[in-house]
Amino acid sequence: AQKVTQAQTEISVVEKEDVTLDCVYETRDTTYYLFWYKQPPSGELVFLIRRNSFDEQNEISGRYSWNFQKSTSSFNFTITASQVVDSAVYFCALSGQGGSEKLVFGKGTKLTVNP
Amino acid sequence: EAGVTQFPSHSVIEKGQTVTLRCDPISGHDNLYWYRRVMGKEIKFLLHFVKESKQDESGMPNNRFLAERTGGTYSTLKVQPAELEDSGVYFCASSHRAVRQETQYFGPGTRLLVL
Repeated sequence: AQKVTQAQTEISVVEKEDVTLDCVYETRDTTYYLFWYKQPPSGELVFLIRRNSFDEQNEISGRYSWNFQKSTSSFNFTITASQVVDSAVYFCALSGQGGSEKLVFGKGTKLTVNP
Repeated sequence: EAGVTQFPSHSVIEKGQTVTLRCDPISGHDNLYWYRRVMGKEIKFLLHFVKESKQDESGMPNNRFLAERTGGTYSTLKVQPAELEDSGVYFCASSHRAVRQETQYFGPGTRLLVL
C-alpha cells in the first residue's frame, strides 16, 4: 500500500529564515506521482508542484524549491527567505498505486512564519 | 477561468439528518474526486468520477454516503443519515482527462459538523 509520512507536525520560524518540510513516501509502484499542496488559513488546497517518478530533477520556483530523491524515497520542500504569507498547512501527496489516480496524503505540516 | 466550487461552505446538522454537498468542477474537466478530512487525520480519498461514471469508489466509508454526477457536470454527495463521525471537511477536486494522472485542483471544501 502507499503511504506518505510528514514527520513534522508543526514548524515555527521567524521571517526570512529558510525552512524545509520533509516528505517520505512508500510505494511498490515503479510509476508514481508526487505532489505538494498548500492550505492557507482560508481553507482551500492550492496546488504547488507535481513530479513523476522518472523525473528526479530538482525544481525551483521563486523562493520555493523541491528535492526529489528516489534513493531515500523523499520529496522535500524548501522555502527560502520565508514570509508571513507562507504560513499555512502543507500537504505532500502520492498517487499511482495500481494505476489509480487517487491521492494519498500525508498528515500535513503546519508552518507558522512569525514577523 | 473559474476554479472548483463547492456548496455550502459550512453545514451544521443534527445526527440522523440528511445533508447534500455539491461540487462544480472546472469547466471541461472529466475527472471529479471527493475527499474528506476528519479532525486530526489525513485527507482521505472517497471516490472518483470520470464524466458520469464511478471509476473508483473504494474510499466510500459505508452505504450512508451516495455520490452522483448526472450528466457528467456537477456532483453531489449525500450523507443519509448523518452520524457524529461524519464531521469533517469534504473536498472536491477535478482534473482534465487528456493526460493520465493530471493535476487535481481542489475546491475550498465544505465543513460539515454533525451534532
